[in-house]
Amino acid sequence: EDQVTQSPEALRLQEGESSSLNCSYTVSGLRGLFWYRQDPGKGPEFLFTLYSAGEEKEKERLKATLTKKESFLHITAPKPEDSATYLCAVQAQGGFKTIFGAGTRLFVKA
Amino acid sequence: DTGVSQNPRHKITKRGQNVTFRCDPISEHNRLYWYRQTLGQGPEFLTYFQNEAQLEKSRLLSDRFSAERPKGSFSTLEIQRTEQGDSAMYLCASSFRLTPYEQYFGPGTRLTVT
Repeated sequence: EDQVTQSPEALRLQEGESSSLNCSYTVSGLRGLFWYRQDPGKGPEFLFTLYSAGEEKEKERLKATLTKKESFLHITAPKPEDSATYLCAVQAQGGFKTIFGAGTRLFVKA
Repeated sequence: DTGVSQNPRHKITKRGQNVTFRCDPISEHNRLYWYRQTLGQGPEFLTYFQNEAQLEKSRLLSDRFSAERPKGSFSTLEIQRTEQGDSAMYLCASSFRLTPYEQYFGPGTRLTVT
């Protein structure tokens, strides 16, 4: 069964303290792995799509990487405005169902 | 505003009543998804439309749930005979055919079943 597991559940950082979020996945033929950001009371906001192992994408202080079993979202020198829940999702080849993990709640303190 | 819109934003209903939610996707987006999200969890896939065709539906979805997308524009999600377990945020997302995996989400409809 296709599955996405994110860790840690919550992460508290000081402003400027870099760290990484983990997304482990099991899928029968990966079509794509996606990262989203979700603020309280809002819908998720698209960040990245990764298609194959070794691929990397960057956007401001965020960098996403992909291996055959995991993806990492690296946050460099975070700011308080980076506080949000970060969601990882996968879609398998041959279908349209997108499977989300439970997310990592990131708190960045000034 | 050219984003995805959902109405109503909040709905409180009594157990056993039927409810209908509406989603208006971004105008040039031909793909549309419905999800359900409960507190502390990620969105759970419900169904997918490509234009007006419903191409995939979650096995978790009971017969009480139905979705339509007439003419490939807006979509509706109906829940019949609501149960307390249906209380959740219902999210709609759309994507463009040239960037099909970049889903743009609406603000959601929060359903409370009393």
